[in-house]
Amino acid sequence: AQSVTQLDSQVPVFEEAPVELRCNYSSSVSVYLFWYVQYPNQGLQLLLKYLSGSTLVKGINGFEAEFNKSQTSFHLRKPSVHISDTAEYFCAVSEPLIGGTSYGKLTFGQGTILTVHP
Amino acid sequence: DGGITQSPKYLFRKEGQNVTLSCEQNLNHDAMYWYRQDPGQGLRLIYYSQIVNDFQKGDIAEGYSVSREKKESFPLTVTSAQKNPTAFYLCASSVGQGDEQYFGPGTRLTVT
Repeated sequence: AQSVTQLDSQVPVFEEAPVELRCNYSSSVSVYLFWYVQYPNQGLQLLLKYLSGSTLVKGINGFEAEFNKSQTSFHLRKPSVHISDTAEYFCAVSEPLIGGTSYGKLTFGQGTILTVHP
Repeated sequence: DGGITQSPKYLFRKEGQNVTLSCEQNLNHDAMYWYRQDPGQGLRLIYYSQIVNDFQKGDIAEGYSVSREKKESFPLTVTSAQKNPTAFYLCASSVGQGDEQYFGPGTRLTVT
């Protein structure tokens, strides 16, 4: 069964510093990968997704992620964070179903709380 | 505007009462999901539905029930059998199972 590990439960960083939020998944097949952001007391919003093609994926709010198949990772990065980036971030993965014609439902990681300090 | 609505935003109930959380989408999505969120535990899947009149249990279905009589609607009932119902509940939908999920704003349920 697929699983997702977000390696850091909390990441504190200063404003305008770069940040990387780490995500590893366990699967030996082609997967779909997603990053979501959740602001306090709100639903989740999609930041970016990888389905196929270029391993560097650009998303909203200046975030990007790199798919690394050999390391089964999909780390999220931003070169310079703002106070408004303070939120919880979730990585998610979807694996192909048996038969390979469609993909299964998403499995979410435990989340990483990013706190940006002034 | 297309999207998912959940109502109410905050809900208070006494222990022993059943309560139903509403989830409606106008995105024409086939799949819908209910998650429970507790601090430090990420998202846990309660139930999901791939198509009208069909649904499957997720990882923590005990004490919950759902129905999917219409494509647009996927209400969740938290029954008195749920041992610890106080939580933040999120509804989501997607075109198909493996597609990106669109989330509602959530309902915070407090049971005392």
